[in-house]
This record gives sequence, C-alpha cells and structure tokens, in this order.
Amino acid sequence: GIQVEQSPPDLILQEGANSTLRCNFSDSVNNLQWFHQNPWGQLINLFYIPSGTKQNGRLSATTVATERYSLLYISSSQTTDSGVYFCAVRGYSTLTFGKGTMLLVSP
Amino acid sequence: DAGVIQSPRHEVTEMGQEVTLRCKPISGHDYLFWYRQTMMRGLELLIYFNNNVPIDDSGMPEDRFSAKMPNASFSTLKIQPSEPRDSAVYFCASSSRDRGYEQYFGPGTRLTVT
Repeated sequence: GIQVEQSPPDLILQEGANSTLRCNFSDSVNNLQWFHQNPWGQLINLFYIPSGTKQNGRLSATTVATERYSLLYISSSQTTDSGVYFCAVRGYSTLTFGKGTMLLVSP
Repeated sequence: DAGVIQSPRHEVTEMGQEVTLRCKPISGHDYLFWYRQTMMRGLELLIYFNNNVPIDDSGMPEDRFSAKMPNASFSTLKIQPSEPRDSAVYFCASSSRDRGYEQYFGPGTRLTVT
C-alpha cells in the first residue's frame, strides 16, 4: 500500500513564529487531505488538496503530486494551533494516514 | 449541516460486556468509515461501507467486532464481548463521490473497558 511519511514528528514554536510541515507519499494519489487534531481529540479538516496551492487564513498548503509531497504552512502561530497535524492520502479507495506532526505553540 | 454525529461520546464498560457505538453520516454522503485510534497504532481503518454495503472489513480486529449500516443515515459498530485492549477512540467518517471523496470525521467515542 501507499506509504505516508510526515516530518518533523514534533515541533515546538513560540507564539508568532512560522512553520512548515511536510508530507511525503510513495505512490500517485487521487486526493490528499490535511487534518488538525486538537487537544480535545477532534479531527478538523484543513485542506482537501490533491494538487496545487490553497490558502485559508494563516494556513496554506501546497501539493506537488508529480514529486509526491505536500507542505502545510502555518504563519504567525497561535497557541490554539497546538495539536497533531495529519496528512492523509487516497490511492484507490481509502485514506492512508501519516503518523502526524505534534505541534506545541507556547505563549 | 450538522456534520457526522456519533454517540455516545464516552463509554465506560466492564470486560465482557457488549458495546454499541452509533454513527449518523452527513446527509447525502454515500461512503461511511469506522476508524480506531490508539497511541500505539495511530489511526486504523476498521471497515467502510458504500451505499450501505460493507466493502472492506479487513481492518476489523477479530470476530468480536461487527458493523452494520441498515440505512443511509445510520451505522453501528458492536463489540461483543469487550476486552480492555479495545479501549481506544473510535471515529466515524463519511464522504461523497460527488465531492471528491473528501472525508469528514465525527467527534469520536472514547471507549474505556475496565
């Protein structure tokens, strides 16, 4: 099956800092999603981005499908950005999740 | 739209008891997924349905687990008998082919088996 690797596994930021999270995948995919799992455990959809670039407020994402990677950018981080960020890709039918990047934003 | 609805949000039960988790997908979605999340194994797909029909249940741990989808707006995941190692957060998600299969997750059910 498709392998999904996320980096870094852990990240600690000071409030206001910027960061880039990376997702590499091993095969061509039909779609890619970024999720944020907040400290209460909820999985929140951030982006549905099989290719190209999207922006939503302080967050943006870019997927380069031909090179099999996606990047999630967080600018001017806030404490509420803390949690785990998952990348998930769909090959034929189901999503395969990476292990996530755990982000802690300190005030 | 109310999103994916799951109940109960928390369940504490004793080993050997039957547990039933419930899910209402987003209206109009034709795919429904059950996942389990633990610290050790991360997010695992247990089973998914398309148009109420189970398509792939290869992730179901063993015969103690069963899932049904009697109609387009309701699904259950049953564990009988429950064991302490079943303690986890169980998520339900749904998606639609018409919307590119983007999955939306419910809030999860935190199950503790003592």
